Amino acid sequence: KAGVTQTPRYLIKTRGQQVTLSCSPISGHRSVSWYQQTPGQGLQFLFEYFSETQRNKGNFPGRFSGRQFSNSRSEMNVSTLELGDSALYLCASSLFAGGPGEQFFGPGTRLTVL
Amino acid sequence: AQSVAQPEDQVNVAEGNPLTVKCTYSVSGNPYLFWYVQYPNRGLQFLLKYITGDNLVKGSYGFEAEFNKSQTSFHLKKPSALVSDSALYFCAVRRTDNNDMRFGAGTRLTVKP
Repeated sequence: KAGVTQTPRYLIKTRGQQVTLSCSPISGHRSVSWYQQTPGQGLQFLFEYFSETQRNKGNFPGRFSGRQFSNSRSEMNVSTLELGDSALYLCASSLFAGGPGEQFFGPGTRLTVL
Repeated sequence: AQSVAQPEDQVNVAEGNPLTVKCTYSVSGNPYLFWYVQYPNRGLQFLLKYITGDNLVKGSYGFEAEFNKSQTSFHLKKPSALVSDSALYFCAVRRTDNNDMRFGAGTRLTVKP
């Protein structure tokens, strides 16, 4: 079974631009979560989607948004990029939202904002 | 406030020696507890989890973790470390009431030959 895939793997953008990251979960998984990983803040939860609905949201500004499609694939969008948005963005899939199930992580998208 | 603490940024052990990576949490209720490992340029990989029941949980690659409710701790252990265990380890806690998921800051484990 294929793992979680994220595209692109690397992105370089400039301040003020916007960016869209994509995540394809493991087949059969209906929940997708997004995390931001930085050296200073560690792993921070962005949001979780299940069956095309946002089920949980972290403490990030409205510039960060996401959506999930009927095939469970998910995208996250960051508008008006800031230097501090440079990070590794990780997507994780699981069978269900929340609960005791473990998450399966993709390799991440490395975003650099210049 | 909910928090997950990994008090050691770095743990160094010699190959063949036992290892412990510490995690304590401050979360209401009876949360689910997880350990993940991250190798360079990779996403996180699930190691093990505690839901309920036996306080000693066995996971992948010979790792185990001990849950201690009174100390609100969930320390990761392995009886005999391998050089290939060198990686970044994350403890995570998910609340059972609102599904809020929090990760610790991570502990870098280095196993020296």
